[in-house]
Amino acid sequence: EAGVTQFPSHSVIEKGQTVTLRCDPISGHDNLYWYRRVMGKEIKFLLHFVKESKQDESGMPNNRFLAERTGGTYSTLKVQPAELEDSGVYFCASSQHPRAGELFFGEGSRLTVL
Amino acid sequence: DQQVKQNSPSLSVQEGRISILNCDYTNSMFDYFLWYKKYPAEGPTFLISISSIKDKNEDGRFTVFLNKSAKHLSLHIVPSQPGDSAVYFCAASAVGNAGNMLTFGGGTRLMVKP
Repeated sequence: EAGVTQFPSHSVIEKGQTVTLRCDPISGHDNLYWYRRVMGKEIKFLLHFVKESKQDESGMPNNRFLAERTGGTYSTLKVQPAELEDSGVYFCASSQHPRAGELFFGEGSRLTVL
Repeated sequence: DQQVKQNSPSLSVQEGRISILNCDYTNSMFDYFLWYKKYPAEGPTFLISISSIKDKNEDGRFTVFLNKSAKHLSLHIVPSQPGDSAVYFCAASAVGNAGNMLTFGGGTRLMVKP
């Protein structure tokens, strides 16, 4: 069974440009999450989808970030325009039963904003 | 303000000995705690969890202890193996959140020397 896949693995852009990160969750997982780790610090929650609906987006830093989940399958996270402080690793995770504790994380998309 | 803290950024132990990783939290609403392990260039992987109604949970070489009065949990690895070398993240989930929004600590890098 394929795990959570993320694309691209690394993106280098200039300040002011736009980047779109993509996540394909494990098939059948209704819950999809985006997290971010900045500057090697703690991993922070961004938002949670249940199928195609945003269940909780309290962690989204500002309106430069837009997340979508088309048809309850893959998800995209767009940063527009990107700022220097957006640099970090963006992790996507999925789960069918989060209370069991197991969020399955992808390898992350490293974003570098110059 | 960090609600989950791992005060030791790194820990080095000899193979075969015990590794003890510590985690403190401040939010009394946390009722579910997890440990994740992360290798370089990979996403975090779930290791072990504990509910607030318990004070200990064991899974093979890994044991998590929870001290609610002290708002402290620890992960014990016995015996430690070189393959355990990774960054370990403590995470917590609040009542009513059903494990969907995890608050992570900053991580502890464990190095197990052969």
